[in-house]
Amino acid sequence: GENVEQHPSTLSVQEGDSAVIKCTYSDSASNYFPWYKQELGKRPQLIIDIRSNVGEKKDQRIAVTLNKTAKHFSLHITETQPEDSAVYFCAARSNYQLIWGAGTKLIIKP
Amino acid sequence: DTGVSQDPRHKITKRGQNVTFRCDPISEHNRLYWYRQTLGQGPEFLTYFQNEAQLEKSRLLSNRFSAERPKGSFSTLEIQRTEQGDSAMYLCASSFELGGYSYNEQFFGPGTRLTVL
Repeated sequence: GENVEQHPSTLSVQEGDSAVIKCTYSDSASNYFPWYKQELGKRPQLIIDIRSNVGEKKDQRIAVTLNKTAKHFSLHITETQPEDSAVYFCAARSNYQLIWGAGTKLIIKP
Repeated sequence: DTGVSQDPRHKITKRGQNVTFRCDPISEHNRLYWYRQTLGQGPEFLTYFQNEAQLEKSRLLSNRFSAERPKGSFSTLEIQRTEQGDSAMYLCASSFELGGYSYNEQFFGPGTRLTVL
């Protein structure tokens, strides 16, 4: 079955710097890749998603890149701010369900 | 109705008891999902409904778990003969999909935190 691996498990960056989180997936048929942000004690919320017909998508400080050949996709956050501190999950659609990565805890240091 | 709601938010039960959770999705959403999340892990898919039909169930889902969505609106998830390993956050999500696949945003509820003593 589909497997999604996410790295790193914890990422600590200085406020204002960029953060990059990487995911790999195993099902070559996957064609939808969302990223969710989950703050402590709160529900996951979609921050950006990408479909396999594009290689990159950007929304203000957040961008996602997709390499279908290598089966990996990445989340890029620029000019990080304290409110970016959270756990970030990548996911890949396999058949009718989303398979989730284990999450990356992003810590923004002041 | 401004979002997905779940009830109860917290449930503490003794091992061996049955528990039932409820999820009310966003009203116009035809797709409803149940996930389980343990600390430090991403949500684990349990099952999903397209309207009232349960279309897929995780192979990991024990036969002690059952879910319904009788009228295609709210859904219930029941766990029978609870075990300590069932302790987790149970998340419900909903989306609107025109086709067979899941391409649109899944909106999550606040979750029900289950503790089995």
